[in-house]
Amino acid sequence: GQNIDQPTEMTATEGAIVQINCTYQTSGFNGLFWYQQHAGEAPTFLSYNVLDGLEEKGRFSSFLSRSKGYSYLLLKELQMKDSASYLCAVFDSNYQLIWGAGTKLIIKP
Amino acid sequence: EAGVAQSPRYKIIEKRQSVAFWCNPISGHATLYWYQQILGQGPKLLIQFQNNGVVDDSQLPKDRFSAERLKGVDSTLKIQPAKLEDSAVYLCASSSGTGHTDTQYFGPGTRLTVL
Repeated sequence: GQNIDQPTEMTATEGAIVQINCTYQTSGFNGLFWYQQHAGEAPTFLSYNVLDGLEEKGRFSSFLSRSKGYSYLLLKELQMKDSASYLCAVFDSNYQLIWGAGTKLIIKP
Repeated sequence: EAGVAQSPRYKIIEKRQSVAFWCNPISGHATLYWYQQILGQGPKLLIQFQNNGVVDDSQLPKDRFSAERLKGVDSTLKIQPAKLEDSAVYLCASSSGTGHTDTQYFGPGTRLTVL
């Protein structure tokens, strides 16, 4: 079967750095997305990785290793507004988007 | 540019009743998706349209759920009759449809509570 694993919940301190991991086992790979979802709101697009390596976008960076079936989202200089769920999603060989359950990130002052 | 619009934002019904949700995608987006998201889980694709044709409805419970996208723009999702386990947020998303790996943009969702 197809599976995406993320930690259920993480806690971090305002101003710090946090890394949210995602591992996937899918039938093929055609790209990986990270979305942010605040409570009661819709997911919003953060990043897309299809090649190995690190993509940096402001305070957020996303890393991909296709050989390891692994990605992480790195959030720097954490702000209270970063408290949200972070969803990892992978396009499989049929271009179906397989979603993880999300990681709830709690930021403490 | 206007985002994906959905209505209503909230709906409370009793089991066995019917309900319908509406979605208007981003202008020019050919692909439209309906997802069901149960609290604490990732979105589950119910149906995907490319223009007004169905691309994937393999996870749509067709005995009670139906969806249409007449004229390839707006879409409606209907549940008839509703069950308790249908309580969830129903998300509509759209993408440009120019490539297989297009980014999907989501609407605010409709939170359905079935009593």
